Amino acid sequence: GENVEQHPSTLSVQEGDSAVIKCTYSDSASNYFPWYKQELGKGPQLIIDIRSNVGEKKDQRIAVTLNKTAKHFSLHITETQPEDSAVYFCAAVSGADYKLSFGAGTTVTVRA
Amino acid sequence: EAGVAQSPRYKIIEKRQSVAFWCNPISGHATLYWYQQILGQGPKLLIQFQNNGVVDDSQLPKDRFSAERLKGVDSTLKIQPAKLEDSAVYLCASSRRLAGGDSTDTQYFGPGTRLTVL
Repeated sequence: GENVEQHPSTLSVQEGDSAVIKCTYSDSASNYFPWYKQELGKGPQLIIDIRSNVGEKKDQRIAVTLNKTAKHFSLHITETQPEDSAVYFCAAVSGADYKLSFGAGTTVTVRA
Repeated sequence: EAGVAQSPRYKIIEKRQSVAFWCNPISGHATLYWYQQILGQGPKLLIQFQNNGVVDDSQLPKDRFSAERLKGVDSTLKIQPAKLEDSAVYLCASSRRLAGGDSTDTQYFGPGTRLTVL
């Protein structure tokens, strides 16, 4: 099955700085990579996703990049704000079995 | 549109007791998922339904866990008897996806039920 690894496990940044979270996956059949944000006491919420036929996608202050050859994808948050503080999960969906496999999560803290 | 609803939000039980969780997916979503999220980890799939049929329950501990989705809408997940290691957040998610559909179909999550087994 798919194995998704996520780094770092915790990330503390100054407000206004950028945050980068990196993930790798093992299954070459994976073709969809969503990113979820989970705030305390809430379920994961989709913030951005990327498909395997695209190398980069941007939505306001959030961008994702995908390197299929290296099986590597990243989340970039620019101009961080206190409300960006949360746990972020990367995930991969295999085109073979449609299963969603999550990374272990990154706790992001934005310091005011 | 209304999101995925779950109840209860919190539950505390003694080990060996039984517990049930309820989920109401987004209207019109064919596929429903139950995940277990242990503290400090990502969610792990327990079972997946498409309409009222089970698609994948390979990760469900069937000796103590059971789930059903009556009439292809609401679903319940039951644990009997509970063990200490079952303490976790149980998340329900739903997606539009039908059989043969797109693997890029988005899953929408509910707020979860936090279970504590003492």
